[in-house]
Amino acid sequence: QKEVEQNSGPLSVPEGAIASLNCTYSDRGSQSFFWYRQYSGKSPELIMFIYSNGDKEDGRFTAQLNKASQYVSLLIRDSQPSDSATYLCAVNEGGGFKTIFGAGTRLFVKA
Amino acid sequence: EAGVTQSPTHLIKTRGQQATLRCSPISGHTSVYWYQQALGLGLQFLLWYDEGEERNRGNFPPRFSGRQFPNYSSELNVNALELEDSALYLCASSLTRDRANSGNTIYFGEGSWLTVV
Repeated sequence: QKEVEQNSGPLSVPEGAIASLNCTYSDRGSQSFFWYRQYSGKSPELIMFIYSNGDKEDGRFTAQLNKASQYVSLLIRDSQPSDSATYLCAVNEGGGFKTIFGAGTRLFVKA
Repeated sequence: EAGVTQSPTHLIKTRGQQATLRCSPISGHTSVYWYQQALGLGLQFLLWYDEGEERNRGNFPPRFSGRQFPNYSSELNVNALELEDSALYLCASSLTRDRANSGNTIYFGEGSWLTVV
């Protein structure tokens, strides 16, 4: 069974620090990778997606992809209390038609 | 531009009854996905519809079914409700034809909370 694995946390970081969230996936054919943020009781919202090996930056967020290691990460710089949420890693299956989600990592940013 | 819309927001049903949830995708999106998120658990893939056809389904029993209409809206039906069906049901849409550029990025609606008592 194709899987997406995340550390459930909680991950606690002080305000202003860098939060590092990690994800591994099992389907070597996966081509597209996504990070979503989900606040308690709300639906997931897309933060960013990445297709190519390396880093992709968007504001305070940086996604990192290493297909050889089947590893995706999300760095949040200058973490704010409003960043406290569950972060979901998602991967398109090799055929690109189905998005599989990890169970999510809970992040707490302490003021 | 309107996002994915779902109705109802909340629904309470009795065990054994049927529930119907509805979803309208983002304008221009042809694919609709349904996910179940039980309290404290991750998103479980339920169903994928594209161009009116069911393209894939997750590991759920046949009492979970749905359809997609010509206007690309969709409904999810859950028959013979069980207590463990209580969850947040999320609908998402994507523009399949733009998969090469957007990697089939899916966008979620606000969800429908189903409570089975």
